[in-house]
Amino acid sequence: AQSVAQPEDQVNVAEGNPLTVKCTYSVSGNPYLFWYVQYPNRGLQFLLKYITGDNLVKGSYGFEAEFNKSQTSFHLKKPSALVSDSALYFCAVRAKGYNFNKFYFGSGTKLNVKP
Amino acid sequence: DVKVTQSSRYLVKRTGEKVFLECVQDMDHENMFWYRQDPGLGLRLIYFSYDVKMKEKGDIPEGYSVSREKKERFSLILESASTNQTSMYLCASSLRTRNTGELFFGEGSRLTVL
Repeated sequence: AQSVAQPEDQVNVAEGNPLTVKCTYSVSGNPYLFWYVQYPNRGLQFLLKYITGDNLVKGSYGFEAEFNKSQTSFHLKKPSALVSDSALYFCAVRAKGYNFNKFYFGSGTKLNVKP
Repeated sequence: DVKVTQSSRYLVKRTGEKVFLECVQDMDHENMFWYRQDPGLGLRLIYFSYDVKMKEKGDIPEGYSVSREKKERFSLILESASTNQTSMYLCASSLRTRNTGELFFGEGSRLTVL
């Protein structure tokens, strides 16, 4: 069965410090992995994706994510957090399915960046 | 710039009312999706459509129906709204032919059923 786990409901970090939001996945075959961000009362915005190639993927707003096949993880990172990064973050995996490629989402991690 | 538009951002309805949530995309995407978002549960797929007049049940279709009469428009219908359908509803679209493509989301429709 395909699934995504975000083990932390909430992550707190001080502005200027590095941040990590964790994601692990379970999928048969090669995974396509995504990160989305959601600001209050807004839809989800695409941040970055891993399809193939370099394990370190760079995305929008200075975020990056590291794909680790042996640990089945795809952690989101940023070297220096901003208060404006405070939002809800979702990890997703796209797996092949009947007629379309279905997305499986984690439960989300709330990131709080304090000044 | 790509766009998925959900016409109603906030709705308040009474139990038993029929509710229509409309979604329009301007990217000529074949796939369209309706998700429901609840705290701690992430996003759950209600229905999706991979072509005009085609629809498939997602993980939680009970109490919902959908309509896709035109490629750009995908409607979610609550035939008789209930309080447990109070939630944030998110519409999304994607290219069917591009397996590695991401979902594009609308801004969401927050529905409260009293």
